[in-house]
Amino acid sequence: EAGVAQSPRYKIIEKRQSVAFWCNPISGHATLYWYQQILGQGPKLLIQFQNNGVVDDSQLPKDRFSAERLKGVDSTLKIQPAKLEDSAVYLCASSLSPGQGWGYTFGSGTRLTVV
Amino acid sequence: SQQGEEDPQALSIQEGENATMNCSYKTSINNLQWYRQNSGRGLVHLILIRSNEREKHSGRLRVTLDTSKKSSSLLITASRAADTASYFCANGANSGYALNFGKGTSLLVTP
Repeated sequence: EAGVAQSPRYKIIEKRQSVAFWCNPISGHATLYWYQQILGQGPKLLIQFQNNGVVDDSQLPKDRFSAERLKGVDSTLKIQPAKLEDSAVYLCASSLSPGQGWGYTFGSGTRLTVV
Repeated sequence: SQQGEEDPQALSIQEGENATMNCSYKTSINNLQWYRQNSGRGLVHLILIRSNEREKHSGRLRVTLDTSKKSSSLLITASRAADTASYFCANGANSGYALNFGKGTSLLVTP
């Protein structure tokens, strides 16, 4: 079974620029998550999708971050404009049955450096 | 915050020794999971324990759960250098069952 695919693997941008990350979840996984992991900390949930609907975006800084999952499969996360504190690894995950607590699979992440 | 908190933050042991990490959480949970993260890589699921279970084993891993104390522990027996990684506990306490992670324990196993 193919894993969760993310691209790009690394990205370096200047502050105030925009950036977009892409995620392709495991086939058949209706639930998709974006997490932000700052160096030395645990992942923090940014947004959760169920198919193409948003379940939880309470921790997404909506003034600069946006995410979409138009066809209920792939998803993109965008930051515009980026700030220095957005430097982090952005992890995408998908799950088959989150209510049962299993089936979470994480991608390798995109490491963003804002200079 | 619903995040768990791992203890210790860092642990250094020699190969062959056992490593114990603890996790505390704040809210009621359906299950608690442990993940491993190698440097610069994604998270790998290790083991899940449900709220009605007290102990679970998987290979060299042993997880315990005490819901009355809102705590869990992960024991890695006969550690190897390849076990060097960060370990996170996570619980799906959100309404959408998204995982909430603690800050992690950084484990270093030296040959």
